[in-house]
Amino acid sequence: AQTVTQSQPEMSVQEAETVTLSCTYDTSENNYYLFWYKQPPSRQMILVIRQEAYKQQNATENRFSVNFQKAAKSFSLKISDSQLGDTAMYFCAYSLSGNTPLVFGKGTRLSVIA
Amino acid sequence: NAGVTQTPKFRILKIGQSMTLQCTQDMNHNYMYWYRQDPGMGLKLIYYSVGAGITDKGEVPNGYNVSRSTTEDFPLRLELAAPSQTSVYFCASRSGFQPQHFGDGTRLSIL
Repeated sequence: AQTVTQSQPEMSVQEAETVTLSCTYDTSENNYYLFWYKQPPSRQMILVIRQEAYKQQNATENRFSVNFQKAAKSFSLKISDSQLGDTAMYFCAYSLSGNTPLVFGKGTRLSVIA
Repeated sequence: NAGVTQTPKFRILKIGQSMTLQCTQDMNHNYMYWYRQDPGMGLKLIYYSVGAGITDKGEVPNGYNVSRSTTEDFPLRLELAAPSQTSVYFCASRSGFQPQHFGDGTRLSIL
């Protein structure tokens, strides 16, 4: 079974600084999808960024980018120019290509400090 | 466009009571999912459906039942509520390889 591990339960960063959240996963598949979701205090699940395993280029979305290391099964999220609104739980998730459900890590609580 | 709608948003149940958590989506998505999120944890899959009339168990299905009579609706049923089912429940849907769309969640407390 696939597993997703987030080794940092909590992190903090100063406003305008850069922070990196770690994620590793375990799978025997070659094609799959990886995601980062943000969950603010409102409890909504908001997609931040996604990466297709067959793409070597790292995904970017404005201030958010990933470092995808397929051989190492690592998928870290970098947040640049951190803003107070980035304060949230961040979940790393895995999905096998197709209709399979998401497998989530336990999350990292990020606090952005003014 | 409403997306994924969950009702109710909050509910308190007594042990042994039953209830149905409603989930409906207006995006004509084939795939729908129910997850639960316990405090300090990630989401765990309860049940999922790949289309009307087809459902399958996830990681934590015990104590729950689902049905999928239409594409739009995917209700989750608790027959005999237990304190261990206190959690936040999320419904989600997706189409093909697109990311999942989540509802806003239902916070359920069983006392």
